[in-house]
Amino acid sequence: EAGVAQSPRYKIIEKRQSVAFWCNPISGHATLYWYQQILGQGPKLLIQFQNNGVVDDSQLPKDRFSAERLKGVDSTLKIQPAKLEDSAVYLCASSMGPRTDTQYFGPGTRLTVL
Amino acid sequence: SQKIEQNSEALNIQEGKTATLTCNYTNYSPAYLQWYRQDPGRGPVFLLLIRENEKEKRKERLKVTFDTTLKQSLFHITASQPADSATYLCAHGQNFVFGPGTRLSVLP
Repeated sequence: EAGVAQSPRYKIIEKRQSVAFWCNPISGHATLYWYQQILGQGPKLLIQFQNNGVVDDSQLPKDRFSAERLKGVDSTLKIQPAKLEDSAVYLCASSMGPRTDTQYFGPGTRLTVL
Repeated sequence: SQKIEQNSEALNIQEGKTATLTCNYTNYSPAYLQWYRQDPGRGPVFLLLIRENEKEKRKERLKVTFDTTLKQSLFHITASQPADSATYLCAHGQNFVFGPGTRLSVLP
């Protein structure tokens, strides 16, 4: 079974530039999550999708971050404009259902903002 | 706000010994907790889930306990091996709140 795919694996940008990350969840998984993991910290949930609808985006900085999951499969997370403090690993995860189900994480995208 | 705390210090133990990692939670009562393993450059991998009505859960060399009175979960790795070296994360799965993780190093 293929795992969660993410791209790119690494990205370096200047502050105030924009960047987009892509995630392809495990086939058949209805729930998709985006996390931000700053070095030395645990993952922090940014947004949760159930199929193509948003379940929870309470911790998403909506002035600069946006995410979509068209057709309930792939998802993109965008940052525009980026700030220095956005430097982190962005993890995508998926699960079959919204609660208690095991989450399967992708390898993450490491973003460096200069 | 809901918070999960873990030993922020790295834990170094000798191969063959039992590693014990601690997870404490405050300001809420989770129905269950999850433990994940994270290797450098990789995403977390799910290990075990324990519910509030379960005192203990085992999987091979892993054991997790859940003490709702102490608001604490303990994660044990028995007969530890160098391959167990990684960062271990505790999470309140229901609300997707993760602790900072504890880095474990098993020395040969």
